[in-house]
Amino acid sequence: EAQVTQNPRYLITVTGKKLTVTCSQNMNHEYMSWYRQDPGLGLRQIYYSMNVEVTDKGDVPEGYKVSRKEKRNFPLILESPSPNQTSLYFCASSPTGVEQYFGPGTRLTVT
Amino acid sequence: AQKVTQAQTEISVVEKEDVTLDCVYETRDTTYYLFWYKQPPSGELVFLIRRNSFDEQNEISGRYSWNFQKSTSSFNFTITASQVVDSAVYFCALSEALFNNAGNMLTFGGGTRLMVKP
Repeated sequence: EAQVTQNPRYLITVTGKKLTVTCSQNMNHEYMSWYRQDPGLGLRQIYYSMNVEVTDKGDVPEGYKVSRKEKRNFPLILESPSPNQTSLYFCASSPTGVEQYFGPGTRLTVT
Repeated sequence: AQKVTQAQTEISVVEKEDVTLDCVYETRDTTYYLFWYKQPPSGELVFLIRRNSFDEQNEISGRYSWNFQKSTSSFNFTITASQVVDSAVYFCALSEALFNNAGNMLTFGGGTRLMVKP
């Protein structure tokens, strides 16, 4: 089944404790990206990648890192999470950069 | 810069009523794509429609219809004979990515929460 998977789906952590949210797609898509969703703001792009080893900042990259060592994986790293990073995170992949296939979301709470 | 505005933050209707969700966008590009997504209470994002800027034809899919008007930069979504299962947050989104090499950028509106009461 073609899909985008994210892990974990739910995470509660404390300020400053490094964490990684994994994202994997099995559709051989070149484009991948991360979004965060906050009430009233819709989804905002954090980082995107157009291919292996090619990444760039989106609208709200501060406090996040990404890497794209393999085509299928695009992990999101929070080196020192803070409470303002409490959010719902979505990973997406795309064959063309236009239509997006979203993962199920990861709900992160930072206390 | 591109921008999408969904002025209605919440709409409440009674089952079987028709409801229209408004979406207004801003872009400097002449070529772009518009989308609608549904986010049910379970949280996933469900793709509903994609429309490119060259195609202003309205589209109907069952009880759903979309009215794209470039002259007013609007892409409104109408649900006919609403049902309780339509209760969700609906997002309108815009992409210029393919044409300005921005790489995969979707700009979302703030979303409209639709509540359909039995």
